[in-house]
Amino acid sequence: DAMVIQNPRYQVTQFGKPVTLSCSQTLNHNVMYWYQQKSSQAPKLLFHYYDKDFNNEADTPDNFQSRRPNTSFCFLDIRSPGLGDAAMYLCATSRRANYGYTFGSGTRLTVV
Amino acid sequence: DQQVKQNSPSLSVQEGRISILNCDYTNSMFDYFLWYKKYPAEGPTFLISISSIKDKNEDGRFTVFLNKSAKHLSLHIVPSQPGDSAVYFCAASAIPRGIQGAQKLVFGQGTRLTINP
Repeated sequence: DAMVIQNPRYQVTQFGKPVTLSCSQTLNHNVMYWYQQKSSQAPKLLFHYYDKDFNNEADTPDNFQSRRPNTSFCFLDIRSPGLGDAAMYLCATSRRANYGYTFGSGTRLTVV
Repeated sequence: DQQVKQNSPSLSVQEGRISILNCDYTNSMFDYFLWYKKYPAEGPTFLISISSIKDKNEDGRFTVFLNKSAKHLSLHIVPSQPGDSAVYFCAASAIPRGIQGAQKLVFGQGTRLTINP
């Protein structure tokens, strides 16, 4: 089945140690999004790619970076994780004109 | 500044009765609204949507109502079933869009719905 896959499902990282979260898709969707969801809060958009074009949200900290080497893969890099970055990170995809997102299952990040 | 608000963190409904989940928004530029359903350990899945040019959209047991003047939308589930127990997120899409027209969804905090047998 076509889907969005996030790896790993759970990630523990040390304070200040760079960490990378991965998202892959078999849907061939043009757009890939990264959302951060902290406990009992709304998912918050960090950035998105339309093909190779990157769009950062104005309030996304510089600590968060993203790479999209090809259509299928997108990575979220946190350069120096702080305790406040502990959250669920959701990857989603969509076609340009299609309002439906397809989400991955998320990666829960713990910072120790 | 939360543009989409779901003021009820949780809702408990008896099986077979109607579930009504509410959502309020503040941004008048929102022109498309969606509801997502999320089970534990899974990503959100799309449930139903409505354009701002409509005030009602129905899909089986699910109906979404939009009141633009009140900036309010609601999701009705009738009859409620045990499998409907999940967290429901309201989301909205705003103009301007992202790059090349990619929609950017703004989510509410979610409402946990529990259907009791």
